[in-house]
Amino acid sequence: QLQLQESGPGLVKPSETLSLTCTVSGGSISTSSYYWGWIRQPPGKGLEWIGSVYYSGSAYYKPSLKSRVTISVDTSKNQFSLRLSSVTAADTAVYYCARRSERLAHALGDWGQGTLVTVSS
Amino acid sequence: DIQMTQSPSSLSASIGDRVTITCRASQDINTFLNWYQQKPGKAPKLLIYGASSLQGGVPSRFSGSGSGTDFTLTISGLEPEDFATYYCQQSHRNPLTFGGGTKVEIK
Repeated sequence: QLQLQESGPGLVKPSETLSLTCTVSGGSISTSSYYWGWIRQPPGKGLEWIGSVYYSGSAYYKPSLKSRVTISVDTSKNQFSLRLSSVTAADTAVYYCARRSERLAHALGDWGQGTLVTVSS
Repeated sequence: DIQMTQSPSSLSASIGDRVTITCRASQDINTFLNWYQQKPGKAPKLLIYGASSLQGGVPSRFSGSGSGTDFTLTISGLEPEDFATYYCQQSHRNPLTFGGGTKVEIK
C-alpha cells in the first residue's frame, strides 16, 4: 500500500521560501511510469497543480509559478521536495503531494493527507 | 493552459437520486479526463480515470463518459457518503488543470 506523507513548516514569513518534503513508503520513487507532484488548495477554494518530477530529476512546473518553484527528487531517501520562493499570503494553502500514473491515464491516483502552510509575519 | 469548466458549481439532491455533473475542456483532450471526490479536511480521491474507467475500490454507482471536450460524471443512486465536492481534471497536457468543483449537498 503506497503512502505519501508531507512534512515541513506550517508557517512561513512573507518573502521567504516555503519548503516541503514528501516521503514515499510502500513503493519505490524510482519506478518508471510514475511522476511525483505537488498540488495546493487555498482555504475554501479549488485545486491547483504546481508541478511534477520524474525519478530522473526531470521536472515540469505550472508556467505561472515556474519562476518561483523547484521540485526535486532524492531517490536515496525515497522523497521528493517542493521549494516555493518569495511567498505571499496568496500562497497560503493546503499542500498535497501525489503520484501520477501513466497506467491511470496520468491521473493522480495516490495522495498524501495534505499539510496547511500559512504565509504570515 | 487547458481550461476546465464544471457545472453546476453546486447542487442539492436526496438519497437515491441520480446525479449528473458535467465538465467541459477548452480544447480536445481525447479521454484524458479524471474525476475526484473530496470530503472536508481530506485529500481528493480518484474515482474515474481515462474518462470512464473506475478506479479500484470505487462503487459501481459512479460512472463517467465523454471524449473530446465534453464529459459527464454520474452517480446512480446517491448514498449518504457521496455528499462531497467533485472535481474534474485533464491529464492530456501539462500543466494539469482542474475544474472549479461541484459541491453535492443534501436536499
